[in-house]
Amino acid sequence: AQKITQTQPGMFVQEKEAVTLDCTYDTSDPSYGLFWYKQPSSGEMIFLIYQGSYDQQNATEGRYSLNFQKARKSANLVISASQLGDSAMYFCAMYSLSTSGTYKYIFGTGTRLKVLA
Amino acid sequence: NAGVTQTPKFQVLKTGQSMTLQCAQDMNHEYMSWYRQDPGMGLRLIHYSVGAGITDQGEVPNGYNVSRSTTEDFPLRLLSAAPSQTSVYFCASLPQGGLGNEQFFGPGTRLTVL
Repeated sequence: AQKITQTQPGMFVQEKEAVTLDCTYDTSDPSYGLFWYKQPSSGEMIFLIYQGSYDQQNATEGRYSLNFQKARKSANLVISASQLGDSAMYFCAMYSLSTSGTYKYIFGTGTRLKVLA
Repeated sequence: NAGVTQTPKFQVLKTGQSMTLQCAQDMNHEYMSWYRQDPGMGLRLIHYSVGAGITDQGEVPNGYNVSRSTTEDFPLRLLSAAPSQTSVYFCASLPQGGLGNEQFFGPGTRLTVL
């Protein structure tokens, strides 16, 4: 069965420092995509970054990068030069497409990040 | 484009009442989903649809019904509200196609069942 695990319920980071949010996944589907979303206190879900299971290079989007280690089934989010506005809940998610054509989109339980001034 | 819209934003129900949460998208997306978000549990899939006339159950479907008569609309019906259904509900849409597609989320509906 597909599963996303985020083991850090909460994290603190000093402003301007880098932080890594952990995500491990489990799937038997041959093709899948890994996503990170940010949910600020206002509640909306904001897409940050995507990594495909066949992508050879780690994805980057500005200050966000995804450290993809396929053999370890991990997809950690790295935020460089943290800003106060990065304080939010972060969700790791996986989209998989089975050989029968069924798609699944599942989320982890989230990590609450607090950036300290 | 308005993206994904949800109404209402807030709702208070009494146990046993029924109601429908509305969701609409104007991006011509084939896939639509309903999630509930509870503290410490992330987002859990209630029901989803891969196109008009096609729906399927997610992880936590009990107590909810859906239908998809048009590509744009995907309402979620609570048949007989229970306190356990107090949650924040998100509707999302996804274009059909490759695995690289992000989901587009509505702003959410905060539901309280007394």
